[in-house]
Amino acid sequence: EPEVTQTPSHQVTQMGQEVILRCVPISNHLYFYWYRQILGQKVEFLVSFYNNEISEKSEIFDDQFSVERPDGSNFTLKIRSTKLEDSAMYFCASSEGSTSVRNEQFFGPGTRLTVL
Amino acid sequence: GNSVTQMEGPVTLSEEAFLTINCTYTATGYPSLFWYVQYPGEGLQLLLKATKADDKGSNKGFEATYRKETTSFHLEKGSVQVSDSAVYFCARTRDSWGKLQFGAGTQVVVTP
Repeated sequence: EPEVTQTPSHQVTQMGQEVILRCVPISNHLYFYWYRQILGQKVEFLVSFYNNEISEKSEIFDDQFSVERPDGSNFTLKIRSTKLEDSAMYFCASSEGSTSVRNEQFFGPGTRLTVL
Repeated sequence: GNSVTQMEGPVTLSEEAFLTINCTYTATGYPSLFWYVQYPGEGLQLLLKATKADDKGSNKGFEATYRKETTSFHLEKGSVQVSDSAVYFCARTRDSWGKLQFGAGTQVVVTP
């Protein structure tokens, strides 16, 4: 069964460093998302991406964040200068379409980011 | 305000007990409603969904009915197993697609 994959599973970085989190969405999906979950808290939306551009972003997704689909398979989240409060589990998700029939989002296993 | 509100946990049950997790949503737009499950140390898995009023989603013995009149999407299972121990998240899309808005999650612990 097709699945969303994410790498790395765990990333440890120093405050102020840049990190890139990678995701490979399901191949025929067109809509891509990043969410994060700070330990013990709710899952929060960061950004959605469709047709090679951001379709929506939350207030969390400030200038330090960017997303890219550099080729036909990868979808990346970059944090330019990490802060301690960026420590969280980051989930990538993808969905096939925009109608209610095909709108379920399939999540990757997550990347745990630890900022020291 | 919160788009999705679900009951706080942890909920501790004995095996074969009946499980209900309450979830209510704000009645804006035409949302689709979802339940996701997160097993210990794992990511989010879609459990079930409903896309319009009176739809019932079901999977693995779990059920939830989209109730527009009460803006609710309560999750139920008639007989839980130890393997159902997980955190359950209620979620909605604002419209038929788009970002998911999650509830806070409800931890369920099932004891033998």
